[in-house]
Amino acid sequence: AQRVTQPEKLLSVFKGAPVELKCNYSYSGSPELFWYVQYSRQRLQLLLRHISRESIKGFTADLNKGETSFHLKKPFAQEEDSAMYYCALRANFGNEKLTFGTGTRLTIIP
Amino acid sequence: EAGVAQSPRYKIIEKRQSVAFWCNPISGHATLYWYQQILGQGPKLLIQFQNNGVVDDSQLPKDRFSAERLKGVDSTLKIQPAKLEDSAVYLCASSLEGAAKNIQYFGAGTRLSVL
Repeated sequence: AQRVTQPEKLLSVFKGAPVELKCNYSYSGSPELFWYVQYSRQRLQLLLRHISRESIKGFTADLNKGETSFHLKKPFAQEEDSAMYYCALRANFGNEKLTFGTGTRLTIIP
Repeated sequence: EAGVAQSPRYKIIEKRQSVAFWCNPISGHATLYWYQQILGQGPKLLIQFQNNGVVDDSQLPKDRFSAERLKGVDSTLKIQPAKLEDSAVYLCASSLEGAAKNIQYFGAGTRLSVL
């Protein structure tokens, strides 16, 4: 069975400082990894996925299969980055459902 | 493009009562998902439909929860009878088929409080 772990429930970072939200997973196969974000009073939405290898709103995430991690990073935090962030995993076979982590609430301190 | 619509936004009921939630996915999205999100946890998939067929309902408590998507568009999720531990936000999501299935679009959710 797949599992996603986000060790930090809360993370506070000063504006302009680097941000790293941690995500570790356990899955025996080759998964697809995603980061979803929920801004205040908005619905959950996709931020980025590892297969796209793109930077969205300055955020990047690299899949490290050796460490089974998919940490989300941004070099300079902005106030609008304050939100709830969820890491999610999709198995590459079977019903392909998403398994979410418990989320990290990121607060950017002005 | 209109997003995933859900109603009601909030619902308060007493335990042992029944409740139903409605979801209208994005037009053309064949796959529809219902998630349960308990406070402090991530969304947990309850049931996944492909058109009007069930793909995965392994985590749906079938003794009290039921869901249907009769015409392959709208869907309803019902709880009968509700328990205190059913208090949660119920999220509906939809996606296209194929590789685009990876991108799920979420509704605003229905917040259920069971007293």
